[in-house]
Amino acid sequence: QSVLTQPPSVSGAPGQRVTISCTGSSSNIGAGYDVHWYQQLPGTAPKLLIYGNTNRPSGVPDRFSGSKSGTSASLAITGLQAEDEADYYCQSYDSSLTGWVFGGGTKLTVL
Amino acid sequence: QVQLVESGGGLVKPGGSLRLSCAASGFTFTNYYMSWIRQAPGKGLEWVSYISTTGSTIYYADSVKGRFTISRDNAENSLYLQMNSLRAEDTAVYYCARDQYSSGWYSDYWGQGTLVTVSS
Repeated sequence: QSVLTQPPSVSGAPGQRVTISCTGSSSNIGAGYDVHWYQQLPGTAPKLLIYGNTNRPSGVPDRFSGSKSGTSASLAITGLQAEDEADYYCQSYDSSLTGWVFGGGTKLTVL
Repeated sequence: QVQLVESGGGLVKPGGSLRLSCAASGFTFTNYYMSWIRQAPGKGLEWVSYISTTGSTIYYADSVKGRFTISRDNAENSLYLQMNSLRAEDTAVYYCARDQYSSGWYSDYWGQGTLVTVSS
């Protein structure tokens, strides 16, 4: 059981918008710690997608955006493309565990 | 360009030991915290450990505390993970990652991973 809760799967048609939620608690997201998102394409290492709740590293398309409110965060992907099909993970810091915590991951299927 | 290359994975029996290495290049290694993160087959990501620039600050996940030791050699631009008393549940791909801070730590570059299989 992951400390951060994500839906196991989401899907959408090309061109559509999807969101992936990440729910934590008062010892992690709710404590004010930033949320970061990673994309893992099949058979590859994770890649940083969003850092500091809303920031995109250089090279990440602006179709990807992040937000945070209270004890939750969300990743939004607009204009879905076939190459977006991947697993997505949220990550934060947990003060009671004194370490990083990840969500269980969400598999995005582009229909 | 930033490169992280892990090595040292393999098949080991329960109770055995293994030492993973991560060779870093393309950035000033001494300026960055580093982490190990693992992924069991078909499962999600699990943070294992991180180490500060000088090695003076180290944290471990409860699942590996007392069995794993993270270390670094800044002269060799290398990160290590000594894994002892290995269990079947330690079977995973182990990733080396470079860390950044922004109101919380995250990894901006990851290696390709090295597979550790614990089985008799």
